[in-house]
Amino acid sequence: GAVVSQHPSRVICKSGTSVKIECRSLDFQATTMFWYRQFPKQSLMLMATSNEGSKATYEQGVEKDKFLINHASLTLSTLTVTSAHPEDSSFYICSAGGEGTGNTIYFGEGSWLTVV
Amino acid sequence: GENVEQHPSTLSVQEGDSAVIKCTYSDSASNYFPWYKQELGKRPQLIIDIRSNVGEKKDQRIAVTLNKTAKHFSLHITETQPEDSAVYFCAASYGGYQKVTFGTGTKLQVIP
Repeated sequence: GAVVSQHPSRVICKSGTSVKIECRSLDFQATTMFWYRQFPKQSLMLMATSNEGSKATYEQGVEKDKFLINHASLTLSTLTVTSAHPEDSSFYICSAGGEGTGNTIYFGEGSWLTVV
Repeated sequence: GENVEQHPSTLSVQEGDSAVIKCTYSDSASNYFPWYKQELGKRPQLIIDIRSNVGEKKDQRIAVTLNKTAKHFSLHITETQPEDSAVYFCAASYGGYQKVTFGTGTKLQVIP
């Protein structure tokens, strides 16, 4: 299947700082990328949908000024958690799909964010 | 928007027995239903999927059934093995790689 790479896999940051997570599609052009957050023992909650070259669409309750999403190319989307707080600590995971994937979505490895 | 409900939340079976996980969806426009297996701290892995023009699909020990009229779909795992222990998520979407809505997950434990 298609490959989606996410980096970093784990990051620890201090409260009040910002952290950037990258999501790359390695062997296909990702028309659409999705960012999810998963708290322990819970399901994946969609945060936002990003389409290359346009503004991300955020789900209700997700602060767009806090979770900045950029999808500048067909192979890269970034999520920046600004002014991070301990409650932002979670597993963040991206997924991507495009015509080259047979309409199937593939997930990145996920990023564990710990805010101390 | 789409709403996907999944049951049960936890499921324990003896090795060799079958496991069934059920999901319902709300949006009749949804036409793609993937199932994911997720181990702790790892990415969800697609294990099987079904599209709305098909009623059943099987891949070795795993099968999925879809009832469009009732808007529910189920995952069936036969001859369960300890390595099947994980959290399973059903999902629904329209248009394949469009927004996917996940169920709440089922923690499957296969007891040796």
